[in-house]
Amino acid sequence: AQKITQTQPGMFVQEKEAVTLDCTYDTSDPSYGLFWYKQPSSGEMIFLIYQGSYDQQNATEGRYSLNFQKARKSANLVISASQLGDSAMYFCAMRENSNSGGGADGLTFGKGTHLIIQP
Amino acid sequence: DADVTQTPRNRITKTGKRIMLECSQTKGHDRMYWYRQDPGLGLQLIYYSFDVKDINKGEISDGYSVSRQAQAKFSLSLESAIPNQTALYFCATSDLFPGGGQPQHFGDGTRLSIL
Repeated sequence: AQKITQTQPGMFVQEKEAVTLDCTYDTSDPSYGLFWYKQPSSGEMIFLIYQGSYDQQNATEGRYSLNFQKARKSANLVISASQLGDSAMYFCAMRENSNSGGGADGLTFGKGTHLIIQP
Repeated sequence: DADVTQTPRNRITKTGKRIMLECSQTKGHDRMYWYRQDPGLGLQLIYYSFDVKDINKGEISDGYSVSRQAQAKFSLSLESAIPNQTALYFCATSDLFPGGGQPQHFGDGTRLSIL
């Protein structure tokens, strides 16, 4: 079973609108972290936002916020007031902390959502 | 200068050749990673290293080897390249984390094409 599922292969959004990118995850680890990365057409991976499994509040970073629903195992990225420069691939990723203290490590990525902002 | 530097940025080579991709970092991080990205897929972990003496296989390590020459340097080798190893390769680093919140910092990637 996939650990990270992003169900929207592509999205078209009008400039200045808000957009929600979906991410669901699967883990039995009680301690984990969820990350969102942006990959523009130039290819680099840009860290956007982080949510820890024990965090009580949803994470926010500027125009980015993470809608964390732990019981549903979802961690959707919300971009407010979208801009043309937001056009990119967006990846949701998870790190299972119980494995990372000295055993397994690394991020597990979803397949991504290709977001296109239209003027 | 970039914090995580990958060389080369692009490489085209032939089947059967040995290839080395290099990664160096100035962030002072202990943990380093190599990922592979195929079109339409997310990144997949090839190898990771906690320090120079601790190297571990990721989910797709077959056909690859690594060397951690120093805290700042982590190289990925393809001993005998094959066409289905054509992909975008990323190196990443992260610090030891108190609670998992440290993001991984990625290099700009190496586009590798194997003919």
